[in-house]
Amino acid sequence: QSVLTQSPSVSAAPGQKVTISCSGSSSNIGNNYVSWYQQLPGTAPKLLIYDNNKRPSGIPDRFSGSKSGTSATLDITGLQTGDEADYYCGTWDSSLSAVVFGGGTKLTVL
Amino acid sequence: QLQLQESGPGLVKPSETLSLTCTVSGGSISSNAYYWGWIRQPPGKGLEWIGSIYYSGTTYYNPSLKSRVTISIDTSKSQFSLNLSSVTAADTAMYYCGRHIHSSPVAAIGYWGQGTLVTVSS
Repeated sequence: QSVLTQSPSVSAAPGQKVTISCSGSSSNIGNNYVSWYQQLPGTAPKLLIYDNNKRPSGIPDRFSGSKSGTSATLDITGLQTGDEADYYCGTWDSSLSAVVFGGGTKLTVL
Repeated sequence: QLQLQESGPGLVKPSETLSLTCTVSGGSISSNAYYWGWIRQPPGKGLEWIGSIYYSGTTYYNPSLKSRVTISIDTSKSQFSLNLSSVTAADTAMYYCGRHIHSSPVAAIGYWGQGTLVTVSS
């Protein structure tokens, strides 16, 4: 059982937009920065978004993040087949003094 | 370009200690700008943070694993290591090492190694 809650799967057609949600509490998302990771099949996770809405160098602006209260969202626009992957949210939990992750959302691009 | 490479046994017997090393190249492990961490992922499951360490040796551990985990750092070798004691089949996972983007374990993990699969079996 993950501390952060994500829907197990989401799907959309190429070119469309998809939103992936991550729900937490005041001890984690509510008072700490959220990051998002993309894990392509058979590879290590890759940082997509940090500090709620910042993109590392090289990440296209099709990927954007936001946070409101105790929830965060990752938006992906102009979907491509290469975006098929598992997406994880992560943050710090101040009560646990630990990094926590969501259970992951599998994105299928139909 | 920063690179991290995990190494260690791919098979560990139950009740024994799992030991892995992460070798850092292309950047200084002695920098006061970053924390270094271990994360694992059981087959077909999600990510679990194990713990993180600063160049000074300051550590943070996942409370659920704290009693069995030791993370250490050897700046002279540009390596940091993970020891997980009393392993069971539940510890079978892909183990990743990584670097946080700031000098705090609160920060996101910006660089990841390719991972090494460790199986616990007799």
